[in-house]
Amino acid sequence: NAGVTQTPKFRVLKTGQSMTLLCAQDMNHEYMYWYRQDPGMGLRLIHYSVGEGTTAKGEVPDGYNVSRLKKQNFLLGLESAAPSQTSVYFCASSYSTLGEGFGNEQFFGPGTRLTVL
Amino acid sequence: KNQVEQSPQSLIILEGKNCTLQCNYTVSPFSNLRWYKQDTGRGPVSLTIMTFSENTKSNGRYTATLDADTKQSSLHITASQLSDSASYICVVSETGGFKTIFGAGTRLFVKA
Repeated sequence: NAGVTQTPKFRVLKTGQSMTLLCAQDMNHEYMYWYRQDPGMGLRLIHYSVGEGTTAKGEVPDGYNVSRLKKQNFLLGLESAAPSQTSVYFCASSYSTLGEGFGNEQFFGPGTRLTVL
Repeated sequence: KNQVEQSPQSLIILEGKNCTLQCNYTVSPFSNLRWYKQDTGRGPVSLTIMTFSENTKSNGRYTATLDADTKQSSLHITASQLSDSASYICVVSETGGFKTIFGAGTRLFVKA
């Protein structure tokens, strides 16, 4: 099993450009998440999904959009990149337990390092 | 506001020595607390999980403790190895809610 994979691993964008980050998981997890990790700060939740076809905003959703058309895939889009979106982006997935919300173990991908010039 | 604070920010120890990392939280209602290890350039990986009723849990050379009354947790690493060099992240989840708070992490450097 590959676990959680992310594409691409690195990307450099110019301000105003758009891109899509792809996350795939082969563990049949219901929940999927997109985080950003910045120096000196904890991982911050951008958007999440509790099932195929459903998405919701997290702590820092502005400037990002997501889609979950298939259970195993979760896409993160930047429509008009800004230097403030320079960060390392992590995708994660977890199984769901009634009443546990996000309490189950999250399995993370290797990350995408994005630089916006 | 729910918060998770970790100390120290960074730590340097010699190979073979022990160390203890701290985590204080204000997340309520509390569901569980996890410690994750994040190697450089990789995603975090779960080490241990602590629920409200658990005081101590071990995973090899890693031992986590939880004091739910004072809302403190620690991660003790015994006989450190070079491969323990990583960031250790404390993560606290709310009961039944879609909220998980990540600490900023402690960066551990183990030197030969």
